[in-house]
Amino acid sequence: RKEVEQDPGPFNVPEGATVAFNCTYSNSASQSFFWYRQDCRKEPKLLMSVYSSGNEDGRFTAQLNRASQYISLLIRDSKLSDSATYLCVVIPIKAAGNKLTFGGGTRVLVKP
Amino acid sequence: DAGITQSPRHKVTETGTPVTLRCHQTENHRYMYWYRQDPGHGLRLIHYSYGVKDTDKGEVSDGYSVSRSKTEDFLLTLESATSSQTSVYFCAIGTADKNIQYFGAGTRLSVL
Repeated sequence: RKEVEQDPGPFNVPEGATVAFNCTYSNSASQSFFWYRQDCRKEPKLLMSVYSSGNEDGRFTAQLNRASQYISLLIRDSKLSDSATYLCVVIPIKAAGNKLTFGGGTRVLVKP
Repeated sequence: DAGITQSPRHKVTETGTPVTLRCHQTENHRYMYWYRQDPGHGLRLIHYSYGVKDTDKGEVSDGYSVSRSKTEDFLLTLESATSSQTSVYFCAIGTADKNIQYFGAGTRLSVL
């Protein structure tokens, strides 16, 4: 089983709709969680951190469910520019070298 | 954008030839990382560095070596390139107190 798993998609989303997807992790000792965004043929960029209490950044909401070991990302009022691959990142407690473990990514396509 | 420069951006080489990729940062960050990204595998850590002359292996280090003689430069060397090393290579930098990493624009390497 992979340490971090994501549905690869694609999630085809009408413009203006809401889309949500999850990321599951296997190491219950994981302590830090992030969502990165990667546009086609570009580098990954940090989208947002995921806090235990959940957090929101504009149209984006991230949640953490430690009991079921998954994090989620919800995008409201989808824009065409939200089309990208969203990478889930998990860091175990005291990971040597601050190493990140990436999921394979979930591709989102927002269509007019 | 974080000050990270990867060179070259594109390279085509032949099997058996040595290849060196360079990552240069202007942020004075302690940690530097080399990843490869392949369809179906996501981002995988090759090697990382936690200081000048301090490096360690990642999950896919076979066939690769690294060197860090200066804080700002982290070199990835393929001693004898193979077709399985055809990939997109990303460099990333990070600080000791945060788990966030910032990525370079990537190098597309084709080994024929």
